[in-house]
Amino acid sequence: EAGVAQSPRYKIIEKRQSVAFWCNPISGHATLYWYQQILGQGPKLLIQFQNNGVVDDSQLPKDRFSAERLKGVDSTLKIQPAKLEDSAVYLCASSPRQGTYNEQFFGPGTRLTVL
Amino acid sequence: KQEVTQIPAALSVPEGENLVLNCSFTDSAIYNLQWFRQDPGKGLTSLLLIQSSQREQTSGRLNASLDKSSGRSTLYIAASQPGDSATYLCAVSGNTPLVFGKGTRLSVIA
Repeated sequence: EAGVAQSPRYKIIEKRQSVAFWCNPISGHATLYWYQQILGQGPKLLIQFQNNGVVDDSQLPKDRFSAERLKGVDSTLKIQPAKLEDSAVYLCASSPRQGTYNEQFFGPGTRLTVL
Repeated sequence: KQEVTQIPAALSVPEGENLVLNCSFTDSAIYNLQWFRQDPGKGLTSLLLIQSSQREQTSGRLNASLDKSSGRSTLYIAASQPGDSATYLCAVSGNTPLVFGKGTRLSVIA
């Protein structure tokens, strides 16, 4: 079974530029998560999708971050415009279905550096 | 608000030693607790998932215990190997989405 795929693996941009990340979850997984992990910290949930609907985006900085999951499969996370403090690893995870009992499976992450 | 603390922040041990990593959480109303491993520049690999009704889970040389009432979990690693060097994160799931600790960075010296 293929794991969670993410691209790109690394991205370097200047502040005020825009950037987008892509995630392809494990086949058949209905729930998809985007996390932000700042160096030395644990991951922090940004947004959770159930199929193509948003379940929780309470910690997403909506003035600059947006995410979508068209057709309930792939997802993109966009930052526009980027700030220096957005430098972090962006992790995508998926689980078979919504529910706190379900294990989450993580992708390799995208490391973003904002200069 | 759920808070997760991991002690120690970093640990260095000689190969072959048994070791314990600690995780504590402030709100005992959790559904499950997960231990993850993270290698430098990589994503998270799930090691063990303990449901709130369980006391422990084992996988190979790893054993995780959960004491929900006291808000504590431990990850026991037996006969440590250099390949065990990584950051170990615990995360709890409850009324809020997964909340992570900052991790323990483990170095096993050959």
